[in-house]
Amino acid sequence: QKEVEQNSGPLSVPEGAIASLNCTYSDRGSQSFFWYRQYSGKSPELIMSIYSNGDKEDGRFTAQLNKASQYVSLLIRDSQPSDSATYLCAAQSWGKFQFGAGTQVVVTP
Amino acid sequence: KAGVTQTPRYLIKTRGQQVTLSCSPISGHRSVSWYQQTPGQGLQFLFEYFSETQRNKGNFPGRFSGRQFSNSRSEMNVSTLELGDSALYLCASSPSGTVGTIGYTFGSGTRLTVV
Repeated sequence: QKEVEQNSGPLSVPEGAIASLNCTYSDRGSQSFFWYRQYSGKSPELIMSIYSNGDKEDGRFTAQLNKASQYVSLLIRDSQPSDSATYLCAAQSWGKFQFGAGTQVVVTP
Repeated sequence: KAGVTQTPRYLIKTRGQQVTLSCSPISGHRSVSWYQQTPGQGLQFLFEYFSETQRNKGNFPGRFSGRQFSNSRSEMNVSTLELGDSALYLCASSPSGTVGTIGYTFGSGTRLTVV
């Protein structure tokens, strides 16, 4: 069993709609969580981090964390074609990161 | 502010050869981590260096090694290359002592092809 699980997708989202990405993790000692966006052929770039239960908003992005359920999510509001990418979830535990395999998001005009 | 610089961008090597990849972190960042990314396995952690010391290590064979210099630049070496080593190798840096709270900045990667 992978330590960080994500649906591989592709997740097809109409332009202007909300994209909802989910991630579960197995290590209860995980302390912080990150969402990275990776365009095809490029390296991952950090878009959100979250450490406390609840929601964290940054522009069109909202990260949600539920440590009891070991669940992290990312919402992308008003999805744009430029949001088409693979989104990687990462869990950090004592300095070690575990990445999920990523969810491919395709925003259709 | 310059980002994380990885060289070379592309490499083609033959089975059995060895290769050295280089990474220069963001100025002031003392933590450097290396990852292997393949379509089948995703991002796999290789090792992390902090102040010239290996602080964390992933589950890779001893053919994979690394080091960090006093200026925080890091190198990764793979000996006796195998076809399965073909991958994108990513270097990531983070400010000292804050890997867990700030996360990484990744370099553009080195695409290694073993033939």
